[in-house]
Amino acid sequence: DAGVIQSPRHEVTEMGQEVTLRCKPISGHNSLFWYRQTMMRGLELLIYFNNNVPIDDSGMPEDRFSAKMPNASFSTLKIQPSEPRDSAVYFCASSYQGGQPQHFGDGTRLSIL
Amino acid sequence: RKEVEQDPGPFNVPEGATVAFNCTYSNSASQSFFWYRQDCRKEPKLLMSVYSSGNEDGRFTAQLNRASQYISLLIRDSKLSDSATYLCAVSLGGGNKLTFGTGTQLKVEL
Repeated sequence: DAGVIQSPRHEVTEMGQEVTLRCKPISGHNSLFWYRQTMMRGLELLIYFNNNVPIDDSGMPEDRFSAKMPNASFSTLKIQPSEPRDSAVYFCASSYQGGQPQHFGDGTRLSIL
Repeated sequence: RKEVEQDPGPFNVPEGATVAFNCTYSNSASQSFFWYRQDCRKEPKLLMSVYSSGNEDGRFTAQLNRASQYISLLIRDSKLSDSATYLCAVSLGGGNKLTFGTGTQLKVEL
């Protein structure tokens, strides 16, 4: 079975550019989560969706970050404009339901120059 | 107080040793508990769920202590391949999110 699929695997771009990260959750999973991981701050939950509806976006650092889930099989996390401090690994995860074990994608390694 | 706390380590142990990690949580209403393993530059992977009565999977044993609000992970006969960061995760259950600890780093040495 396919796991959580994220793209791109790596992204290097210049400050000020728009960055879009993509995620396809495991089929049948109803909850989707976006995380950011850095050495300094560890694994931080940015936002999560239940049945395509955003439930908690309190972890989104600022208005430059936005996330959408237009259907059960696709989600995007967008940063506009990007800044060097946004450099991190961004993980997408999904589960049957919030509170259940989550399965993570391979992550997107983002570097903002 | 953080919602979920772990000793960051590193724990350096010789091969074959037994090592235990604890993870404390602040919300007494928490219902679901998990241990994840994360290798360097990889994604977190579910290691095991933690059940109220405690559970075992091969060399790994997980336990829950509700009275003291912590979960533990015991690794017996540790292998070089067990070297990784171990993250605990806690949830209120239902449709709620998981809250992860910052992880405990384990290094198993020859």
